[in-house]
Amino acid sequence: DSGVTQTPKHLITATGQRVTLRCSPRSGDLSVYWYQQSLDQGLQFLIQYYNGEERAKGNILERFSAQQFPDLHSELNLSSLELGDSALYFCASSGGLAGEDTQYFGPGTRLTVL
Amino acid sequence: AQSVTQLDSQVPVFEEAPVELRCNYSSSVSVYLFWYVQYPNQGLQLLLKYLSGSTLVKGINGFEAEFNKSQTSFHLRKPSVHISDTAEYFCAVSPGSYQKVTFGIGTKLQVIP
Repeated sequence: DSGVTQTPKHLITATGQRVTLRCSPRSGDLSVYWYQQSLDQGLQFLIQYYNGEERAKGNILERFSAQQFPDLHSELNLSSLELGDSALYFCASSGGLAGEDTQYFGPGTRLTVL
Repeated sequence: AQSVTQLDSQVPVFEEAPVELRCNYSSSVSVYLFWYVQYPNQGLQLLLKYLSGSTLVKGINGFEAEFNKSQTSFHLRKPSVHISDTAEYFCAVSPGSYQKVTFGIGTKLQVIP
């Protein structure tokens, strides 16, 4: 158990809909990262927050957005969903910003868009 | 720009045999290198990382990796595998901060009894 929790575990929805994925980092970790894992594109970094502020953006679509709340949990919002958005979405957390910090991954949310 | 190439998509190996999973990278700057393991239906777990210093890095579960700057490689090795090592392994590179990490496509290790 990494200490990072993600809800829900599975999500099935239809094209055009909007969903919210939730992540709670390990106790004390200030950085939260979101990743997408799909069969055709592999693992891709989406976005990072540190102590409530956006720090870096990766290959995140404009239809997707995220935020980190004062209690440090984070939400990833996916809107106008398309079939190609079906993937595993992972959240990870680390203590700070440095590469020296170990990153801990949650179990993921599997999103299926029908 | 940086990239990671995992040369083998699948590696079958008999139990108690040694294994090497290959990883090559390219980058225009100094890098941090990582190996992660993903068990079925689970998230990623860090096996080991190279930040600086000794080029031989020891990780969890008996794995080790050697950073070779001249060959731009970071191959993962284990002298004797166990059934429980069956999983997918990802090599990753970053210029020093996790947000710019690039992952390889993964290598599926299948340990045969």
